[in-house]
Amino acid sequence: EAGVTQFPSHSVIEKGQTVTLRCDPISGHDNLYWYRRVMGKEIKFLLHFVKESKQDESGMPNNRFLAERTGGTYSTLKVQPAELEDSGVYFCASSQGGRGDTQYFGPGTRLTVL
Amino acid sequence: QKEVEQDPGPLSVPEGAIVSLNCTYSNSAFQYFMWYRQYSRKGPELLMYTYSSGNKEDGRFTAQVDKSSKYISLFIRDSQPSDSATYLCAMTSSGGSYIPTFGRGTSLIVHP
Repeated sequence: EAGVTQFPSHSVIEKGQTVTLRCDPISGHDNLYWYRRVMGKEIKFLLHFVKESKQDESGMPNNRFLAERTGGTYSTLKVQPAELEDSGVYFCASSQGGRGDTQYFGPGTRLTVL
Repeated sequence: QKEVEQDPGPLSVPEGAIVSLNCTYSNSAFQYFMWYRQYSRKGPELLMYTYSSGNKEDGRFTAQVDKSSKYISLFIRDSQPSDSATYLCAMTSSGGSYIPTFGRGTSLIVHP
C-alpha cells in the first residue's frame, strides 16, 4: 500500500511569488491534515479536511494560505504571496477515521522563501 | 510557557545503551500521549500510543506517563544505530481537540 506522498519535495521561491504544494493521501483515507514545521520549532497544525470539506482550519496563519481538496482525493495548499516567514517544512497526514485514528505522515515539502 | 517542552538534544549514546527521552507538558487536559519517530527527510511515524497514566511496552520500547508530574518518557533498551532519528512527543485531550500538540523533538544518535 502506497503511503502519503507530497510534491514537490523541495521548493525555493522568492518573496512575493506563489507556490502550490500537493498531497496525495493514502487511498481510502477520508481525513487529510496539513501541518507546518518552522525551523527550530514544533510541528503545528494548519487544517483538517474530511473528504472535501474543511473540518477545522483554525491553524491557518492568514489569508495568504488557501487549501483545497477537490473531490475528496488529493489536496493542494497554495501560498500567495509567499513571505520569508513561510519558510519551513509542510507535512501532510491522512487517517481513515477522525478522532483518535492514527495519522500517517508524508515526507514533507521543504519550502524556502528568499 | 510552551504547552509541551522537549529538549532538542542532540543525545549521543553508544550502541547497546538504554536511552531515556522525555517531555513535560502544562495542559492537564491531555489524556492521549504519543511518540513519533522521524528519520531524516521522512515524515513522522507513530511509534507508541498511551492513554492516561501508566506504562506500555513494545519490544525494546517502553512509554511511561506520569500525569501527576505532567511528565512522559520513552525508554529504548539495547539501542541500535538504526534507532538514530528524531523522536517527537505529541499529546491530545480527550474532550477537546483531537489535533496533536507536538514537542520540538529530540535528536538521538546511536553510534556503533
